[in-house]
Amino acid sequence: EVQLVESGGGLVQPGGSLRLSCAASGFTFSNYWMSWVRQAPGKGLEWVANIKQDGSQKYYVDSVRGRFTISRDNTKNSLYMQMNSLRVEDTAVYHCARIGGSGSYFDYWGQGILVTVSS
Amino acid sequence: QSALTQPASVSGSPGQSITISCTGTNSDVGGYNYVSWYQQHPGKAPKLMIYEVSNRPSGVSNRFSGSKSGNTASLTISGLQAEDEADYYCSSYTRTSTVVFGGGTKLTVL
Repeated sequence: EVQLVESGGGLVQPGGSLRLSCAASGFTFSNYWMSWVRQAPGKGLEWVANIKQDGSQKYYVDSVRGRFTISRDNTKNSLYMQMNSLRVEDTAVYHCARIGGSGSYFDYWGQGILVTVSS
Repeated sequence: QSALTQPASVSGSPGQSITISCTGTNSDVGGYNYVSWYQQHPGKAPKLMIYEVSNRPSGVSNRFSGSKSGNTASLTISGLQAEDEADYYCSSYTRTSTVVFGGGTKLTVL
């Protein structure tokens, strides 16, 4: 059974940093692109970043480029998101998601972890 | 990276069919057969319902179907059931190798 479990969320002040982790199990992690998708309270889904199987390609939404860094450790079956210079508008539930087949869709999702940026 | 356009809400009675539209541009929906649809119940993680425009993952009811014409994709749910009441999101791969979601549609089963 595919499982994705996020951790590392919490309350942080504007300008602060946080590192999210996603522990993957039930599939060969190193064979898949992975992604972070977020959802602000009461709002819709927003794609944040993708990373290739070997970490050699990374893509970001414009609003986080230069502040967030997606990475992975295939030896630990783990996905990460380093979030720096956090803004109030980054407040959201952050979901880890596996990217399926053609690389265009998210076939498994974690339950998500809440990040709150507030003073 | 502008969001795809979906209606804010749709509704239907049990047994009826509804269609949710998702409009993008030539740089996303119209340029690739890489549209997917997700169902999200309150407090739950999204669930993949349709991928690559019209493919259903294993385990998803055949009451759910997808299509695309030009820059607009559509999700049709036939034989509406109470459990279908949820938020629905479309997404598309884009020419810049990023992904864009629609704003979401709240489906109410009357």
